Amino acid sequence: QKEVEQDPGPLSVPEGAIVSLNCTYSNSAFQYFMWYRQYSRKGPELLMYTYSSGNKEDGRFTAQVDKSSKYISLFIRDSQPSDSATYLCAMTNNYGQNFVFGPGTRLSVLP
Amino acid sequence: DGGITQSPKYLFRKEGQNVTLSCEQNLNHDAMYWYRQDPGQGLRLIYYSQIVNDFQKGDIAEGYSVSREKKESFPLTVTSAQKNPTAFYLCASSTPGRDLSGANVLTFGAGSRLTVL
Repeated sequence: QKEVEQDPGPLSVPEGAIVSLNCTYSNSAFQYFMWYRQYSRKGPELLMYTYSSGNKEDGRFTAQVDKSSKYISLFIRDSQPSDSATYLCAMTNNYGQNFVFGPGTRLSVLP
Repeated sequence: DGGITQSPKYLFRKEGQNVTLSCEQNLNHDAMYWYRQDPGQGLRLIYYSQIVNDFQKGDIAEGYSVSREKKESFPLTVTSAQKNPTAFYLCASSTPGRDLSGANVLTFGAGSRLTVL
């Protein structure tokens, strides 16, 4: 079993749709959970991070962490064509010594 | 602006040649990392360094070498021993060991794309 699993997609949605991206993990030591957005041929950029369980909202983006289920989600409301990118989940323990990434989900938002 | 600068952005190499990818950061981060990204695969850790003059192998270190002589710099050499070096290489940095007031997150450079001819 991989340490972090993520549906690779591709996922295509119409503009304005709500998008749900998910990752599952197996290591209960993970405490920091991150979502990165990566445009084609660019480096990943940090979208959001969450410490431990709970929700965090930033504009159209909401990150959720359920440590009991080892499941994290990123929701995008009112999706825009500019949201078309690959989304990577990542996680680490309290000391940031080991970052583990999911394979990424490729999202296309169609105008 | 603080950030990570990778160079070159594109690099072509003949088989049997060593090449060095540059990574410089002005974020005052202690830790630096090199990842490799292949199509359809997640990021795989090549090497990381928590402190100057110290570094550890990641999951796929064979055929690669690094040095960490300065806090700001973490160059990666792709040697001729690396059997399949064509890939997108990403450098990142972070400050590990933060408490709850700081975040353990990675900041990435723009990447270097290496193609072996």
